[in-house]
Amino acid sequence: GENVEQHPSTLSVQEGDSAVIKCTYSDSASNYFPWYKQELGKRPQLIIDIRSNVGEKKDQRIAVTLNKTAKHFSLHITETQPEDSAVYFCAARPGHDMRFGAGTRLTVKP
Amino acid sequence: DSGVTQTPKHLITATGQRVTLRCSPRSGDLSVYWYQQSLDQGLQFLIQYYNGEERAKGNILERFSAQQFPDLHSELNLSSLELGDSALYFCASSVDLAGYNEQFFGPGTRLTVL
Repeated sequence: GENVEQHPSTLSVQEGDSAVIKCTYSDSASNYFPWYKQELGKRPQLIIDIRSNVGEKKDQRIAVTLNKTAKHFSLHITETQPEDSAVYFCAARPGHDMRFGAGTRLTVKP
Repeated sequence: DSGVTQTPKHLITATGQRVTLRCSPRSGDLSVYWYQQSLDQGLQFLIQYYNGEERAKGNILERFSAQQFPDLHSELNLSSLELGDSALYFCASSVDLAGYNEQFFGPGTRLTVL
């Protein structure tokens, strides 16, 4: 089955700096890659997603890149703000199920 | 508010017991997914239903079962509970079967097994 690995597990940046979180997947059938943000004690919420026919997608300060050949995708957050502090999960969808990475705890220091 | 509701919010029970978690999807969503999130862990996919039928199975134990009813609400049944089953259980819904649309998560049910 699909195996999604996510790095780093924790990331600390200064406000205004960029943050990059990387994920790799194993199943070449995966064709949909969402990123979720989960604040402490709250539900995961979708922040951006990308399909396998697209290499890059951007939404304001957030961007995701996908390299199908290498089977990896990354989340880029620019001009980080304290409210970006949360746990971020990547996911890959090979079929009807969804496989999540273990999460990255991002801390943005003011 | 995502529009997905889950009850109860909290559940405390003893080992060996059986519990039922309930989820109502967003209006119009036909797919329901169940996930388990243990303390400081990622989201483990358990099972997906689409319009009443099971469509995908993940890391769901044999002690666990689920179903989706004609009104599209879903229930996750956990039996012979063990300490390790303590976790946050999320339900999510989406409009489609293939899942290219956003999955909206409910607030979760926190299960504590003593």
